[in-house]
Amino acid sequence: KQEVTQIPAALSVPEGENLVLNCSFTDSAIYNLQWFRQDPGKGLTSLLLIQSSQREQTSGRLNASLDKSSGRSTLYIAASQPGDSATYLCAVLNSGYALNFGKGTSLLVTP
Amino acid sequence: DARVTQTPRHKVTEMGQEVTMRCQPILGHNTVFWYRQTMMQGLELLAYFRNRAPLDDSGMPKDRFSAEMPDATLATLKIQPSEPRDSAVYFCASGLAPLLGGLAIWSQHFGDGTRLSIL
Repeated sequence: KQEVTQIPAALSVPEGENLVLNCSFTDSAIYNLQWFRQDPGKGLTSLLLIQSSQREQTSGRLNASLDKSSGRSTLYIAASQPGDSATYLCAVLNSGYALNFGKGTSLLVTP
Repeated sequence: DARVTQTPRHKVTEMGQEVTMRCQPILGHNTVFWYRQTMMQGLELLAYFRNRAPLDDSGMPKDRFSAEMPDATLATLKIQPSEPRDSAVYFCASGLAPLLGGLAIWSQHFGDGTRLSIL
């Protein structure tokens, strides 16, 4: 059974800092890995999707990397802003269509 | 902008009552998922459907939970009887199942969830 772990569980940084969120998974036979953002009381918004054959994806200040052989992914946020405060979830797609989620990293960016 | 719509957004009820949560998937999507989110367990898959047929409901307590798709525009999740441990946020998601070989780029769209409290 796929296990997805996210470290740290919570993170507080001052505005402007660069930061890294970590995700690890136990079964490397994945189709893709996705990073989602969840705001309080809201659903999940997809940020980046990395196919199993890719090493990284970038969107604006966000960069996600994937090392499938070691079962690791990182989400790098450059020049953090208070609006980045949210919970960030990592999910992997194995067989079928259902995603396996980590428990998330709760990020607070202070002004 | 197409969205997955869930109702109700919030539900508070007493133990033993029946609870029905509804989901309207994005028009044209043929896969529908039910997830449950708690602080302890995170997001867990309860059940999912493809073309309205249940594909996997192994994550769902069968004795009290049931999931159905009466038609392509409506998915329901019922709990009867409800218990305090069922308190959680329940999310519905939908997607268009890819052709063979397309899973690498496939994702899901999530609704805003139903926050359920069982007293």
